[in-house]
Amino acid sequence: IAGITQAPTSQILAAGRRMTLRCTQDMRHNAMYWYRQDLGLGLRLIHYSNTAGTTGKGEVPDGYSVSRANTDDFPLTLASAVPSQTSVYFCASSDSIAGGSNEQFFGPGTRLTVL
Amino acid sequence: GQNIDQPTEMTATEGAIVQINCTYQTSGFNGLFWYQQHAGEAPTFLSYNVLDGLEEKGRFSSFLSRSKGYSYLLLKELQMKDSASYLCAVVDSNYQLIWGAGTKLIIKP
Repeated sequence: IAGITQAPTSQILAAGRRMTLRCTQDMRHNAMYWYRQDLGLGLRLIHYSNTAGTTGKGEVPDGYSVSRANTDDFPLTLASAVPSQTSVYFCASSDSIAGGSNEQFFGPGTRLTVL
Repeated sequence: GQNIDQPTEMTATEGAIVQINCTYQTSGFNGLFWYQQHAGEAPTFLSYNVLDGLEEKGRFSSFLSRSKGYSYLLLKELQMKDSASYLCAVVDSNYQLIWGAGTKLIIKP
Protein backbone atom coordinates (compact mmCIF):
# COMPACT_ATOMS: atom_id res chain seq x y z
CA ILE A 1 0.00 0.00 0.00
CA ALA A 2 1.48 3.32 -1.08
CA GLY A 3 2.16 5.85 1.62
CA ILE A 4 4.41 6.76 4.51
CA THR A 5 5.20 4.58 7.49
CA GLN A 6 6.74 5.66 10.77
CA ALA A 7 8.20 3.64 13.61
CA PRO A 8 7.80 3.34 16.47
CA THR A 9 4.17 4.34 17.00
CA SER A 10 4.99 5.53 20.48
CA GLN A 11 7.97 5.51 22.79
CA ILE A 12 8.83 6.45 26.36
CA LEU A 13 12.47 7.45 26.65
CA ALA A 14 14.73 8.37 29.54
CA ALA A 15 16.39 11.77 29.30
CA GLY A 16 19.89 11.59 27.91
CA ARG A 17 19.20 8.55 25.73
CA ARG A 18 19.70 8.48 21.98
CA MET A 19 16.68 7.73 19.81
CA THR A 20 16.06 7.36 16.08
CA LEU A 21 12.60 7.77 14.63
CA ARG A 22 12.17 5.98 11.34
CA CYS A 23 10.28 7.17 8.28
CA THR A 24 9.85 5.37 4.95
CA GLN A 25 7.82 6.36 1.90
CA ASP A 26 7.12 4.36 -1.24
CA MET A 27 5.71 7.12 -3.42
CA ARG A 28 9.10 8.03 -4.90
CA HIS A 29 8.68 11.57 -3.59
CA ASN A 30 11.73 13.78 -3.80
CA ALA A 31 11.04 15.94 -0.75
CA MET A 32 10.65 14.76 2.85
CA TYR A 33 10.03 16.60 6.10
CA TRP A 34 10.01 16.11 9.85
CA TYR A 35 7.57 18.11 11.98
CA ARG A 36 6.74 18.19 15.65
CA GLN A 37 3.24 18.97 16.84
CA ASP A 38 2.62 20.33 20.33
CA LEU A 39 -0.70 21.28 21.91
CA GLY A 40 -1.68 24.83 21.05
CA LEU A 41 1.05 25.25 18.47
CA GLY A 42 1.09 24.67 14.75
CA LEU A 43 3.19 22.00 13.14
CA ARG A 44 6.82 23.13 13.33
CA LEU A 45 9.38 22.03 10.78
CA ILE A 46 12.47 20.38 12.27
CA HIS A 47 14.43 19.33 9.18
CA TYR A 48 13.68 18.75 5.54
CA SER A 49 15.27 17.18 2.48
CA ASN A 50 14.71 18.40 -1.06
CA THR A 51 16.15 15.26 -2.60
CA ALA A 52 18.25 12.24 -1.65
CA GLY A 53 21.67 13.31 -0.40
CA THR A 54 20.62 16.79 0.77
CA THR A 55 19.12 18.05 4.01
CA GLY A 56 18.20 21.44 5.46
CA LYS A 57 17.28 22.96 8.80
CA GLY A 58 13.75 24.01 9.58
CA GLU A 59 12.33 26.22 12.30
CA VAL A 60 13.35 24.08 15.32
CA PRO A 61 16.41 21.96 14.39
CA ASP A 62 18.37 22.08 17.66
CA GLY A 63 18.84 18.68 19.28
CA TYR A 64 17.85 16.80 16.13
CA SER A 65 19.72 15.43 13.12
CA VAL A 66 18.62 13.75 9.91
CA SER A 67 20.09 11.88 6.98
CA ARG A 68 18.80 11.09 3.49
CA ALA A 69 20.88 8.26 2.08
CA ASN A 70 18.18 7.25 -0.42
CA THR A 71 14.82 8.43 -1.75
CA ASP A 72 12.67 6.30 0.54
CA ASP A 73 14.11 6.74 4.04
CA PHE A 74 14.45 9.83 6.22
CA PRO A 75 15.36 8.98 9.83
CA LEU A 76 15.31 11.58 12.60
CA THR A 77 17.79 11.20 15.47
CA LEU A 78 17.69 12.74 18.92
CA ALA A 79 21.29 12.53 20.10
CA SER A 80 20.54 13.10 23.80
CA ALA A 81 16.83 13.40 24.51
CA VAL A 82 15.48 16.11 26.83
CA PRO A 83 11.95 16.45 28.29
CA SER A 84 11.18 19.42 26.01
CA GLN A 85 11.37 17.02 23.08
CA THR A 86 8.23 15.28 24.30
CA SER A 87 5.89 15.70 21.34
CA VAL A 88 4.15 14.00 18.45
CA TYR A 89 6.47 13.71 15.47
CA PHE A 90 5.16 13.57 11.92
CA CYS A 91 7.11 12.66 8.84
CA ALA A 92 5.77 13.95 5.52
CA SER A 93 6.70 13.83 1.86
CA SER A 94 5.83 15.67 -1.34
CA ASP A 95 6.68 15.28 -4.98
CA SER A 96 9.01 18.27 -4.81
CA ILE A 97 9.62 21.26 -2.61
CA ALA A 98 9.40 23.82 -5.38
CA GLY A 99 6.02 24.79 -6.74
CA GLY A 100 3.48 25.76 -4.13
CA SER A 101 0.79 23.25 -5.03
CA ASN A 102 2.76 20.20 -3.98
CA GLU A 103 0.59 18.57 -1.36
CA GLN A 104 2.39 17.02 1.58
CA PHE A 105 1.42 13.49 2.60
CA PHE A 106 1.84 12.62 6.27
CA GLY A 107 2.81 9.48 8.12
CA PRO A 108 0.77 8.31 11.13
CA GLY A 109 3.07 9.96 13.65
CA THR A 110 5.26 8.90 16.56
CA ARG A 111 4.25 9.90 20.06
CA LEU A 112 7.46 10.43 22.06
CA THR A 113 7.63 11.00 25.81
CA VAL A 114 10.97 11.93 27.38
CA LEU A 115 11.13 11.53 31.15
CA GLY B 1 7.87 37.44 11.77
CA GLN B 2 5.51 35.01 10.18
CA ASN B 3 2.08 34.50 11.66
CA ILE B 4 -0.99 32.42 10.92
CA ASP B 5 -4.12 33.07 12.98
CA GLN B 6 -7.13 30.78 13.31
CA PRO B 7 -9.79 30.50 16.01
CA THR B 8 -8.87 27.89 18.59
CA GLU B 9 -12.25 26.17 18.72
CA MET B 10 -15.66 26.37 17.07
CA THR B 11 -18.92 24.54 17.68
CA ALA B 12 -21.61 23.86 15.08
CA THR B 13 -24.71 21.75 14.67
CA GLU B 14 -25.07 18.69 12.46
CA GLY B 15 -26.55 19.65 9.09
CA ALA B 16 -25.53 23.30 9.42
CA ILE B 17 -22.82 25.38 7.70
CA VAL B 18 -19.63 26.61 9.36
CA GLN B 19 -16.90 28.98 8.19
CA ILE B 20 -13.39 28.70 9.61
CA ASN B 21 -11.25 31.79 9.06
CA CYS B 22 -7.51 32.07 8.64
CA THR B 23 -5.46 35.27 8.45
CA TYR B 24 -1.79 35.30 7.65
CA GLN B 25 1.30 37.47 7.55
CA THR B 26 4.19 35.69 5.88
CA SER B 27 7.40 36.41 4.01
CA GLY B 28 6.10 35.80 0.52
CA PHE B 29 3.10 33.80 -0.59
CA ASN B 30 3.04 30.77 -2.86
CA GLY B 31 -0.31 29.32 -1.94
CA LEU B 32 -2.45 28.29 1.01
CA PHE B 33 -3.46 24.82 2.12
CA TRP B 34 -6.23 23.52 4.33
CA TYR B 35 -5.75 20.17 6.04
CA GLN B 36 -8.07 18.12 8.22
CA GLN B 37 -6.75 16.29 11.27
CA HIS B 38 -8.84 13.89 13.33
CA ALA B 39 -7.74 13.40 16.92
CA GLY B 40 -4.74 11.09 17.14
CA GLU B 41 -4.32 10.91 13.38
CA ALA B 42 -2.20 12.52 10.69
CA PRO B 43 -3.25 15.64 8.79
CA THR B 44 -4.87 14.99 5.41
CA PHE B 45 -5.14 17.39 2.47
CA LEU B 46 -8.40 19.23 1.86
CA SER B 47 -7.69 22.13 -0.49
CA TYR B 48 -5.13 24.43 -2.07
CA ASN B 49 -5.63 28.04 -3.17
CA VAL B 50 -3.12 30.25 -4.94
CA LEU B 51 -5.42 32.65 -6.82
CA ASP B 52 -8.11 34.84 -5.32
CA GLY B 53 -11.55 33.37 -5.24
CA LEU B 54 -13.53 30.35 -4.20
CA GLU B 55 -12.58 26.73 -4.84
CA GLU B 56 -15.43 24.27 -4.33
CA LYS B 57 -14.98 20.58 -3.70
CA GLY B 58 -18.14 18.79 -2.68
CA ARG B 59 -19.29 19.88 0.77
CA PHE B 60 -16.06 21.81 1.34
CA SER B 61 -15.09 25.15 -0.22
CA SER B 62 -12.04 27.33 0.34
CA PHE B 63 -11.73 31.03 -0.34
CA LEU B 64 -8.64 33.21 -0.69
CA SER B 65 -8.03 36.97 -0.74
CA ARG B 66 -4.32 37.64 -1.16
CA SER B 67 -4.68 41.40 -0.76
CA LYS B 68 -6.30 40.90 2.66
CA GLY B 69 -4.11 37.99 3.77
CA TYR B 70 -7.27 36.03 4.42
CA SER B 71 -8.76 32.65 3.70
CA TYR B 72 -11.72 30.67 4.91
CA LEU B 73 -12.83 27.07 4.77
CA LEU B 74 -16.58 26.57 4.39
CA LEU B 75 -18.11 23.27 5.41
CA LYS B 76 -21.72 22.60 4.38
CA GLU B 77 -24.21 19.95 5.50
CA LEU B 78 -22.09 19.17 8.53
CA GLN B 79 -21.76 15.57 9.57
CA MET B 80 -20.56 14.16 12.88
CA LYS B 81 -17.46 12.81 11.11
CA ASP B 82 -16.45 16.42 10.35
CA SER B 83 -15.49 16.82 14.02
CA ALA B 84 -11.76 17.39 13.69
CA SER B 85 -9.11 20.07 13.71
CA TYR B 86 -8.69 22.15 10.57
CA LEU B 87 -5.19 23.42 9.83
CA CYS B 88 -4.38 26.41 7.67
CA ALA B 89 -0.88 26.53 6.15
CA VAL B 90 0.79 29.11 3.91
CA VAL B 91 3.62 28.39 1.46
CA ASP B 92 6.22 31.10 2.04
CA SER B 93 8.89 32.53 -0.26
CA ASN B 94 11.17 29.55 0.47
CA TYR B 95 8.38 27.11 -0.39
CA GLN B 96 8.16 26.03 3.24
CA LEU B 97 4.78 25.55 4.87
CA ILE B 98 3.98 27.86 7.78
CA TRP B 99 1.24 26.29 9.87
CA GLY B 100 -1.49 27.76 12.00
CA ALA B 101 -2.26 26.10 15.35
CA GLY B 102 -5.50 24.70 13.96
CA THR B 103 -9.19 25.13 14.69
CA LYS B 104 -10.90 22.37 16.63
CA LEU B 105 -14.41 21.94 15.23
CA ILE B 106 -16.98 20.30 17.49
CA ILE B 107 -20.18 19.08 15.84
CA LYS B 108 -23.24 18.65 18.02
CA PRO B 109 -26.29 16.58 17.07
